[in-house]
Amino acid sequence: DAKTTQPNSMESNEEEPVHLPCNHSTISGTDYIHWYRQLPSQGPEYVIHGLTSNVNNRMASLAIAEDRKSSTLILHRATLRDAAVYYCILRDGGTSGSRLTFGEGTQLTVNP
Amino acid sequence: DTGVSQDPRHKITKRGQNVTFRCDPISEHNRLYWYRQTLGQGPEFLTYFQNEAQLEKSRLLSDRFSAERPKGSFSTLEIQRTEQGDSAMYLCASSLVLAGNTGELFFGEGSRLTVL
Repeated sequence: DAKTTQPNSMESNEEEPVHLPCNHSTISGTDYIHWYRQLPSQGPEYVIHGLTSNVNNRMASLAIAEDRKSSTLILHRATLRDAAVYYCILRDGGTSGSRLTFGEGTQLTVNP
Repeated sequence: DTGVSQDPRHKITKRGQNVTFRCDPISEHNRLYWYRQTLGQGPEFLTYFQNEAQLEKSRLLSDRFSAERPKGSFSTLEIQRTEQGDSAMYLCASSLVLAGNTGELFFGEGSRLTVL
């Protein structure tokens, strides 16, 4: 599985934007970039995914570098509920429904 | 639909005992996954099913572990002769995989196992 590199932790203030980086220099052409997050004492939940173009949904935005070797998850206005571990995962799009391989993720702390 | 449900939520057992966890996926989902998570680590893949067929097993899944999905609906994960190293959160997830979609995973809240 292609690997991703994320900072261990980041901190933000409530109602400010948060940019969570992810490096994936060995990404292959068929790999989708997925983001999941895990709130305390819960299972992970899907946030967003993309292949080449930037993506927006109600939870977040995903900015993908032109060479696809890095990406950034953007939370536009952090809330206390966004405090979680955020996982950046590469998933082979050539094998639909393949498993996700989680790393250690980024622990996001949101200060009131 | 109430999402993915797992039972029991917590299990405390003595070393050497057998334990079984149950997962009820979202009803129309055809894929079911089991993961294990220890404190401070990301979830580790154990196995997954396409309907009732077990398609992939991790090398983490020793011969003491067995998973089934007999009718392509709920699944069970059994651990025989538990060891203290088996203490972890066991997470189940399901997804609907169709041609052209990426099948996002929906996770349950997990079953926490403590082996004394």
